[in-house]
Amino acid sequence: AQRVTQPEKLLSVFKGAPVELKCNYSYSGSPELFWYVQYSRQRLQLLLRHISRESIKGFTADLNKGETSFHLKKPFAQEEDSAMYYCALMGKDRDDKIIFGKGTRLHILP
Amino acid sequence: EADIYQTPRYLVIGTGKKITLECSQTMGHDKMYWYQQDPGMELHLIHYSYGVNSTEKGDLSSESTVSRIRTEHFPLTLESARPSHTSQYLCASSAMMGRGDEKLFFGSGTQLSVL
Repeated sequence: AQRVTQPEKLLSVFKGAPVELKCNYSYSGSPELFWYVQYSRQRLQLLLRHISRESIKGFTADLNKGETSFHLKKPFAQEEDSAMYYCALMGKDRDDKIIFGKGTRLHILP
Repeated sequence: EADIYQTPRYLVIGTGKKITLECSQTMGHDKMYWYQQDPGMELHLIHYSYGVNSTEKGDLSSESTVSRIRTEHFPLTLESARPSHTSQYLCASSAMMGRGDEKLFFGSGTQLSVL
Protein backbone atom coordinates (compact mmCIF):
# COMPACT_ATOMS: atom_id res chain seq x y z
CA ALA A 1 0.00 0.00 0.00
CA GLN A 2 1.15 3.51 -0.74
CA ARG A 3 1.76 5.52 2.39
CA VAL A 4 3.62 8.64 3.50
CA THR A 5 4.59 8.98 7.15
CA GLN A 6 5.67 12.18 8.86
CA PRO A 7 6.37 11.15 12.45
CA GLU A 8 6.54 14.65 13.92
CA LYS A 9 3.38 16.72 14.19
CA LEU A 10 5.28 19.71 15.58
CA LEU A 11 8.96 20.60 15.41
CA SER A 12 10.38 23.60 17.28
CA VAL A 13 13.87 24.77 16.35
CA PHE A 14 15.88 27.79 17.38
CA LYS A 15 16.80 30.34 14.73
CA GLY A 16 20.19 29.46 13.24
CA ALA A 17 19.97 25.81 14.25
CA PRO A 18 19.77 22.97 11.69
CA VAL A 19 16.37 21.69 10.64
CA GLU A 20 15.38 18.18 9.62
CA LEU A 21 11.80 17.25 8.86
CA LYS A 22 11.37 13.51 8.55
CA CYS A 23 9.44 11.70 5.85
CA ASN A 24 9.24 7.97 5.20
CA TYR A 25 7.28 6.33 2.44
CA SER A 26 5.93 2.98 1.39
CA TYR A 27 5.62 2.24 -2.33
CA SER A 28 6.36 -0.78 -4.49
CA GLY A 29 8.41 0.87 -7.18
CA SER A 30 10.17 4.18 -7.79
CA PRO A 31 7.84 7.04 -6.90
CA GLU A 32 8.23 10.75 -7.28
CA LEU A 33 8.65 12.52 -3.94
CA PHE A 34 7.76 16.11 -3.12
CA TRP A 35 7.74 18.57 -0.27
CA TYR A 36 4.89 21.08 -0.15
CA VAL A 37 4.77 24.07 2.17
CA GLN A 38 1.92 26.18 3.50
CA TYR A 39 2.88 29.53 5.03
CA SER A 40 0.37 31.35 7.19
CA ARG A 41 -2.53 32.69 5.09
CA GLN A 42 -0.95 31.52 1.83
CA ARG A 43 -1.73 28.76 -0.62
CA LEU A 44 -0.22 25.36 -0.34
CA GLN A 45 2.69 25.32 -2.78
CA LEU A 46 5.44 23.06 -4.02
CA LEU A 47 8.75 23.56 -2.21
CA LEU A 48 10.87 21.00 -3.99
CA ARG A 49 10.81 17.64 -5.78
CA HIS A 50 13.42 14.93 -5.65
CA ILE A 51 14.00 14.64 -9.40
CA SER A 52 15.03 18.29 -9.61
CA ARG A 53 17.83 17.87 -7.07
CA GLU A 54 17.57 21.56 -6.33
CA SER A 55 17.86 23.71 -3.23
CA ILE A 56 14.93 26.01 -2.58
CA LYS A 57 15.12 28.65 0.17
CA GLY A 58 18.12 26.76 1.54
CA PHE A 59 16.19 23.49 1.85
CA THR A 60 17.35 20.21 0.32
CA ALA A 61 15.93 16.71 0.37
CA ASP A 62 17.67 13.52 -0.64
CA LEU A 63 15.79 10.41 -1.64
CA ASN A 64 17.17 7.38 0.22
CA LYS A 65 15.69 4.33 -1.47
CA GLY A 66 17.29 1.93 1.00
CA GLU A 67 15.64 3.61 3.97
CA THR A 68 12.61 4.74 1.91
CA SER A 69 13.05 8.23 3.28
CA PHE A 70 12.94 11.75 1.89
CA HIS A 71 13.90 13.99 4.80
CA LEU A 72 13.87 17.76 4.35
CA LYS A 73 16.93 19.59 5.66
CA LYS A 74 18.22 23.10 6.12
CA PRO A 75 21.53 23.92 7.83
CA PHE A 76 20.45 27.20 9.46
CA ALA A 77 16.81 27.87 10.30
CA GLN A 78 15.27 31.28 9.65
CA GLU A 79 12.15 32.74 11.25
CA GLU A 80 10.39 32.88 7.87
CA ASP A 81 10.68 29.09 7.64
CA SER A 82 7.87 28.72 10.16
CA ALA A 83 5.11 26.93 8.24
CA MET A 84 3.31 23.65 7.73
CA TYR A 85 5.29 21.15 5.66
CA TYR A 86 3.79 18.19 3.82
CA CYS A 87 5.69 15.32 2.27
CA ALA A 88 3.97 13.82 -0.78
CA LEU A 89 4.36 10.83 -3.08
CA MET A 90 3.18 10.13 -6.60
CA GLY A 91 3.56 6.84 -8.41
CA LYS A 92 4.81 6.51 -11.96
CA ASP A 93 1.62 4.99 -13.35
CA ARG A 94 -0.66 7.22 -15.38
CA ASP A 95 -3.57 6.88 -12.95
CA ASP A 96 -1.57 7.29 -9.74
CA LYS A 97 -2.67 10.13 -7.51
CA ILE A 98 -0.61 12.21 -5.14
CA ILE A 99 -0.62 11.04 -1.53
CA PHE A 100 0.20 13.44 1.30
CA GLY A 101 1.60 12.83 4.74
CA LYS A 102 -0.17 14.32 7.75
CA GLY A 103 2.16 17.29 7.83
CA THR A 104 4.68 18.74 10.28
CA ARG A 105 4.36 22.20 11.74
CA LEU A 106 7.77 23.85 11.91
CA HIS A 107 8.07 26.57 14.51
CA ILE A 108 11.25 28.64 14.50
CA LEU A 109 12.06 30.09 17.91
CA PRO A 110 13.79 33.47 18.09
CA GLU B 1 -3.02 34.68 -16.20
CA ALA B 2 -2.70 30.91 -15.89
CA ASP B 3 -3.98 30.00 -12.46
CA ILE B 4 -6.50 28.00 -10.47
CA TYR B 5 -9.48 29.85 -9.06
CA GLN B 6 -11.87 28.93 -6.28
CA THR B 7 -15.08 30.72 -5.39
CA PRO B 8 -16.41 31.69 -3.00
CA ARG B 9 -13.50 32.34 -0.65
CA TYR B 10 -15.78 32.14 2.38
CA LEU B 11 -19.29 30.71 2.68
CA VAL B 12 -21.59 30.69 5.70
CA ILE B 13 -24.78 28.77 5.16
CA GLY B 14 -27.61 27.16 7.09
CA THR B 15 -28.16 23.44 7.57
CA GLY B 16 -30.01 21.71 4.75
CA LYS B 17 -29.01 24.13 2.00
CA LYS B 18 -27.59 22.97 -1.31
CA ILE B 19 -24.22 24.49 -2.16
CA THR B 20 -21.75 24.34 -5.02
CA LEU B 21 -18.09 25.20 -4.61
CA GLU B 22 -16.54 26.38 -7.84
CA CYS B 23 -13.07 25.52 -9.14
CA SER B 24 -11.60 26.52 -12.47
CA GLN B 25 -8.10 26.35 -13.87
CA THR B 26 -6.66 27.99 -16.95
CA MET B 27 -3.53 25.86 -17.24
CA GLY B 28 -4.99 23.13 -19.43
CA HIS B 29 -4.39 20.50 -16.76
CA ASP B 30 -6.06 17.13 -17.11
CA LYS B 31 -5.93 16.10 -13.46
CA MET B 32 -8.01 17.91 -10.85
CA TYR B 33 -8.54 17.19 -7.17
CA TRP B 34 -10.63 18.25 -4.18
CA TYR B 35 -9.11 18.07 -0.72
CA GLN B 36 -10.71 18.75 2.65
CA GLN B 37 -8.44 20.34 5.24
CA ASP B 38 -8.96 21.82 8.67
CA PRO B 39 -6.47 24.68 9.24
CA GLY B 40 -2.94 23.41 9.67
CA MET B 41 -4.08 19.81 9.61
CA GLU B 42 -3.69 16.95 7.16
CA LEU B 43 -5.20 16.98 3.70
CA HIS B 44 -7.91 14.46 2.92
CA LEU B 45 -8.52 13.63 -0.75
CA ILE B 46 -12.29 13.52 -1.34
CA HIS B 47 -12.57 13.54 -5.14
CA TYR B 48 -10.35 13.48 -8.21
CA SER B 49 -10.65 13.53 -11.97
CA TYR B 50 -8.23 12.60 -14.73
CA GLY B 51 -10.17 14.25 -17.52
CA VAL B 52 -13.56 15.13 -18.89
CA ASN B 53 -16.32 12.76 -17.74
CA SER B 54 -13.89 11.05 -15.36
CA THR B 55 -14.48 11.34 -11.60
CA GLU B 56 -13.46 9.14 -8.70
CA LYS B 57 -13.99 9.21 -4.95
CA GLY B 58 -10.93 9.80 -2.82
CA ASP B 59 -9.71 8.27 0.40
CA LEU B 60 -12.05 10.17 2.71
CA SER B 61 -15.72 9.34 2.46
CA SER B 62 -17.66 12.42 1.52
CA GLU B 63 -21.32 13.18 0.94
CA SER B 64 -20.35 15.62 -1.78
CA THR B 65 -20.45 15.00 -5.52
CA VAL B 66 -18.38 16.39 -8.39
CA SER B 67 -18.66 16.74 -12.13
CA ARG B 68 -16.15 17.29 -14.95
CA ILE B 69 -17.96 18.37 -18.07
CA ARG B 70 -15.20 20.72 -19.19
CA THR B 71 -11.46 20.35 -18.71
CA GLU B 72 -11.12 23.62 -16.88
CA HIS B 73 -14.07 23.28 -14.49
CA PHE B 74 -14.46 20.91 -11.51
CA PRO B 75 -17.31 21.99 -9.21
CA LEU B 76 -18.13 20.27 -5.92
CA THR B 77 -21.74 20.04 -4.72
CA LEU B 78 -23.29 19.33 -1.34
CA GLU B 79 -26.98 18.54 -1.71
CA SER B 80 -27.78 19.18 1.95
CA ALA B 81 -25.16 20.92 4.04
CA ARG B 82 -24.63 19.90 7.68
CA PRO B 83 -22.45 21.36 10.47
CA SER B 84 -20.10 18.36 10.06
CA HIS B 85 -19.27 19.70 6.58
CA THR B 86 -17.66 22.78 8.11
CA SER B 87 -14.09 22.79 6.85
CA GLN B 88 -11.73 24.24 4.27
CA TYR B 89 -12.01 22.80 0.76
CA LEU B 90 -8.95 22.98 -1.49
CA CYS B 91 -9.01 22.45 -5.23
CA ALA B 92 -5.85 21.48 -7.09
CA SER B 93 -4.76 20.55 -10.58
CA SER B 94 -1.74 18.97 -12.24
CA ALA B 95 -0.56 17.93 -15.67
CA MET B 96 -0.64 14.32 -16.79
CA MET B 97 2.52 12.21 -16.59
CA GLY B 98 4.98 12.82 -19.37
CA ARG B 99 4.51 16.54 -19.73
CA GLY B 100 7.33 17.24 -17.32
CA ASP B 101 5.19 19.41 -15.11
CA GLU B 102 3.94 16.98 -12.50
CA LYS B 103 3.25 19.16 -9.54
CA LEU B 104 0.05 20.23 -7.88
CA PHE B 105 -1.18 23.77 -8.16
CA PHE B 106 -3.56 24.67 -5.36
CA GLY B 107 -6.34 27.20 -5.23
CA SER B 108 -6.81 29.59 -2.32
CA GLY B 109 -9.52 27.39 -0.86
CA THR B 110 -13.12 27.85 0.23
CA GLN B 111 -13.76 28.10 3.96
CA LEU B 112 -17.23 26.61 4.50
CA SER B 113 -19.17 27.15 7.72
CA VAL B 114 -22.51 25.39 8.12
CA LEU B 115 -24.65 26.70 10.96
